[in-house]
Amino acid sequence: DSGVTQTPKHLITATGQRVTLRCSPRSGDLSVYWYQQSLDQGLQFLIQYYNGEERAKGNILERFSAQQFPDLHSELNLSSLELGDSALYFCASSARDLHLSYEQYFGPGTRLTVT
Amino acid sequence: AQSVTQLDSQVPVFEEAPVELRCNYSSSVSVYLFWYVQYPNQGLQLLLKYLSGSTLVKGINGFEAEFNKSQTSFHLRKPSVHISDTAEYFCAVSEFNNNDMRFGAGTRLTVKP
Repeated sequence: DSGVTQTPKHLITATGQRVTLRCSPRSGDLSVYWYQQSLDQGLQFLIQYYNGEERAKGNILERFSAQQFPDLHSELNLSSLELGDSALYFCASSARDLHLSYEQYFGPGTRLTVT
Repeated sequence: AQSVTQLDSQVPVFEEAPVELRCNYSSSVSVYLFWYVQYPNQGLQLLLKYLSGSTLVKGINGFEAEFNKSQTSFHLRKPSVHISDTAEYFCAVSEFNNNDMRFGAGTRLTVKP
């Protein structure tokens, strides 16, 4: 158990809908990272928040957004969903910024299925 | 930007045999290198990492990797595998002062009895 929790575990929704994925980092970790894992794109970094502020952006679509709240939990919002958004979404946390702490702890993931 | 290539998508091997999972990276600056393992229906778990210093890095579960700067490689090895090592293995690279970690496509290691 990494100490990172993600809810829900599974999510099935229809095209055009909007969903919110939630992540609670390990106790004391300030950074949260979001990743998308799909069969065709592999594992891709989406976005990082550090202590409430956006820190780094990867291949995140404009239809996707995220935020980190004062209690350090984070939410990833996916809107206008398309079939291609079906994937496993991972959250990871680290104690500080990645290049300072170098180690991320991954949650179990949320499997999103868009029908 | 940095990139990672895992040269083998699947590696079948018999129990107690040695294994090497290959990883090459591309970057114009200094990098940090990582190997993660993903067991079925689970998140990723860090096996080992190279930040600086000794080029031979030892990780959990008997795995080790060697950083070779001239060949831009970071291959993962284990001298004797177990059935329980069956999993997906990901090589990842992060550039110095860049929080964008890039992952390889993964190598599925299947250990057969």
